[in-house]
Amino acid sequence: AIRMTQSPSSLSASTGDRVTITCRASQGISSYLAWYQQKPGKAPKLLIYAASTLQSGVPSRFSGSGSGTDFTLTISCLQSEDFATYYCQQYYSYSVSFGQGTKLEIK
Amino acid sequence: QVQLQQSGPGLVKPSQTLSLTCAISGDSVSSNSAAWNWIRQSPSRGLEWLGRTYYRSKWYNDYAVSVKSRITINPDTSKNQFSLQLNSVTPEDTAVYYCARGPKTAAGTEFDPWGQGTLVTVSS
Repeated sequence: AIRMTQSPSSLSASTGDRVTITCRASQGISSYLAWYQQKPGKAPKLLIYAASTLQSGVPSRFSGSGSGTDFTLTISCLQSEDFATYYCQQYYSYSVSFGQGTKLEIK
Repeated sequence: QVQLQQSGPGLVKPSQTLSLTCAISGDSVSSNSAAWNWIRQSPSRGLEWLGRTYYRSKWYNDYAVSVKSRITINPDTSKNQFSLQLNSVTPEDTAVYYCARGPKTAAGTEFDPWGQGTLVTVSS
C-alpha cells in the first residue's frame, strides 16, 4: 500500500499570508495526486487533481506542484474562508490512499 | 451538476450489517466514464477508501483489502443509486461514511463530488 505523509500536521497563519503544505508518497506516483479542503461537519471538497490542475470554480490563489514522491499545495494569499483541514490523496492505483491531514488555523 | 444524497441508519449493533444508499442526480450509475465509491473517515483511521462499483460493458467491483471479506457495493439502475453493505461490524467501524464519484475511467481517480456524509455508530 502507498503511504501518504503530510507536513506539517497543523499550521497557524494570518489572513494574507502565503502557506505551503507538503505531501510525500512512499513510492513514486507520477502526478496522480489530488488535494482536498474539508471544513468541520462537511465532506471534503476537491481543489486540485493531477498534482497541479485546478478544479473548476476553485480560486486561483490555490496551486499545486510536484511529481514522483514530493508534492506541495500553496495558498498564495490566505482568506478567512481558507482556514480548514487539507488532505492529499494518491490515485496511482485503484486502491487510493489519503494523507493524515493538515489543519490550518488562524494565528 | 452531479449531486449525491446519502441515506441510511446512524446506529448499528455489533455483529450486524451496516447498510447505506447513495442516490445520484445529474449522472448515471451506469455511466461508462465514472466509478461510484464509498469512503469513510474516523479519528483513528483518517480517510479510508472502502470500495467502488462501475460499469464498463459489464459491472465491476473493487474493494479495499482491509474490508474485502465483509463488504458489498451494489448498483441499482432502476433507482439510479448504489449501496454499501458492511457485515459483522464492530465498534472500530464507527465512522462518517461518504459516497463519492470518481470521474474518470482510469484505475485510480480523484473524487468529486462527495455525498453529505453519514455518521454511523456501532454500539449496542
